[in-house]
Amino acid sequence: AQSVTQLGSHVSVSEGALVLLRCNYSSSVPPYLFWYVQYPNQGLQLLLKYTTGATLVKGINGFEAEFKKSETSFHLTKPSAHMSDAAEYFCAVSDRQAGTALIFGKGTTLSVSS
Amino acid sequence: GAGVSQSPSNKVTEKGKDVELRCDPISGHTALYWYRQRLGQGLEFLIYFQGNSAPDKSGLPSDRFSAERTGESVSTLTIQRTQQEDSAVYLCASSPGGYWGTDTQYFGPGTRLTVL
Repeated sequence: AQSVTQLGSHVSVSEGALVLLRCNYSSSVPPYLFWYVQYPNQGLQLLLKYTTGATLVKGINGFEAEFKKSETSFHLTKPSAHMSDAAEYFCAVSDRQAGTALIFGKGTTLSVSS
Repeated sequence: GAGVSQSPSNKVTEKGKDVELRCDPISGHTALYWYRQRLGQGLEFLIYFQGNSAPDKSGLPSDRFSAERTGESVSTLTIQRTQQEDSAVYLCASSPGGYWGTDTQYFGPGTRLTVL
């Protein structure tokens, strides 16, 4: 069965530092890939998604992610963290062949210190 | 425009009682999803509605869980004879209704259910 692994339940960075949140998926057929963010006391919102085409995907708020088939990864990055980036980030996949529901990782909480 | 809304925002109930959770999707969205988020866990898919098609109930954890949707509008998730392990945040999402593999889902704020 398809699964998603997010390495690190909690990541802490300083303001201005690089943000790297890791996501790996399990299937041999690359799925559709998503990153969602949940700000405190708000609902989840889509940051970016990869369905087809260019493997480097740009999202909102300066985030981007690169699909690497050889590494079965879809890591999320941002060159310079801002205090407002503090939130919980979820990686999710859906199966291209079976059209199943989104399968979410357990989430990574990002803390940003000044 | 208005986003996905859910009510109540918080619900505390006693073990064995039935509860109903409500979701109002974004107007015009034909697809609606329910998820459950337990503390420290990712989101678990529960059920999916798409237009007038039969819902995909494959994620419902037991027959105590059921959901209905009226046309392409409001949905209710019902949990009968609640158990303590049902305590979680229940999230509803809607999407425009294209292929759900690539559709962007828009989430509501969730209902936090606590079963004592």
